[in-house]
Amino acid sequence: SQKIEQNSEALNIQEGKTATLTCNYTNYSPAYLQWYRQDPGRGPVFLLLIRENEKEKRKERLKVTFDTTLKQSLFHITASQPADSATYLCAPANQAGTALIFGKGTTLSVSS
Amino acid sequence: DAGVIQSPRHEVTEMGQEVTLRCKPISGHNSLFWYRQTMMRGLELLIYFNNNVPIDDSGMPEDRFSAKMPNASFSTLKIQPSEPRDSAVYFCASSLASQNPQPQHFGDGTRLSIL
Repeated sequence: SQKIEQNSEALNIQEGKTATLTCNYTNYSPAYLQWYRQDPGRGPVFLLLIRENEKEKRKERLKVTFDTTLKQSLFHITASQPADSATYLCAPANQAGTALIFGKGTTLSVSS
Repeated sequence: DAGVIQSPRHEVTEMGQEVTLRCKPISGHNSLFWYRQTMMRGLELLIYFNNNVPIDDSGMPEDRFSAKMPNASFSTLKIQPSEPRDSAVYFCASSLASQNPQPQHFGDGTRLSIL
């Protein structure tokens, strides 16, 4: 069955450092992958989308990579800030218009 | 712009009672999704609609769960009878169905507690 794995343990880093979150998938060949941010008591918020033919995507301090050989996506936050503290969810998908399957998420804590 | 609106935000009820969760998607969006989130299982898709038609309800756990979308601006998720194991946060999300992948926009959820 399809399986999505994200760092199960919380990631704690210091302000200013780069945070790297991992999303691995098995029994799956997604055509694209989305990343979401979720704050306590709120719904997930879309951050970035990357297609299988794109190796890397950037948006301000965020960078996402997609390695279809390794079956892995990495999500980087550079110059991290305490306001970046949240849970980050990855969601691969086979094609547009279908439902997303979400990983359980990685909780990031940035201390000042 | 108004986002996805869910009601109620919190619901506490006793086992055996009927529970109805409501969702208003973003105007113009034609795909609607219901999810359930727990610590153990994460965010799970229950059912989704395209143009008000249910497309995939394989995530609906049991016959006690039902969902409807009578029009493009309203959907309900009903649990009858409710059980303590149904306690979770239920999210509704909407998006624009398209040839190109689109982000999903989530409401802030309904926190459901079944006693």
